[in-house]
Amino acid sequence: KAGVTQTPRYLIKTRGQQVTLSCSPISGHRSVSWYQQTPGQGLQFLFEYFSETQRNKGNFPGRFSGRQFSNSRSEMNVSTLELGDSALYLCASSLEASFSNTGELFFGEGSRLTVL
Amino acid sequence: AQSVTQPDIHITVSEGASLELRCNYSYGATPYLFWYVQSPGQGLQLLLKYFSGDTLVQGIKGFEAEFKRSQSSFNLRKPSVHWSDAAEYFCAVGDNTDKLIFGTGTRLQVFP
Repeated sequence: KAGVTQTPRYLIKTRGQQVTLSCSPISGHRSVSWYQQTPGQGLQFLFEYFSETQRNKGNFPGRFSGRQFSNSRSEMNVSTLELGDSALYLCASSLEASFSNTGELFFGEGSRLTVL
Repeated sequence: AQSVTQPDIHITVSEGASLELRCNYSYGATPYLFWYVQSPGQGLQLLLKYFSGDTLVQGIKGFEAEFKRSQSSFNLRKPSVHWSDAAEYFCAVGDNTDKLIFGTGTRLQVFP
């Protein structure tokens, strides 16, 4: 069974541009979560989608947005990029919306964004 | 607000030595607790989890963790470390809105 797939793996953008990252969850998984990982802040929760609906949102500005499609694939978008947006963006999937039922998030390898 | 503290940023051990990584959490109710490991260039992999019941939980790769409510801790242990255990380890608590709150991680270095 294929794992969580994130594309692109690496990308470089300049300030003011926008970026779209893609995540394909494990087949059959309906929940997708996004995390931002930086050396200083660790992993910060961005948002979670389940059945095309945003269930949860972290404390990030409105420049960060996401969506989920009917096949559970998810995208996140960051507009008007800032230097501080440079990070590893991790996507995770799970079977159900509540990890208390399944107990596990399956993570992709991440998309490393560098903003110059 | 829920939070997780991993007081050790970096730990170095010799191969074959025992290991304990510390994790303290702040959460009002009974927490869901997790340990994840991240190898270089990889995503996170679940090592073990605690939801309820026996406070000593066994995980993959020979790891175990003990939940101590009185100390608000969930320390990760391994009796004998292998060179392949070198990685970054994250403790996390699941809150009542199904978000995972992660600690800032402990980087483990293993010397032969």
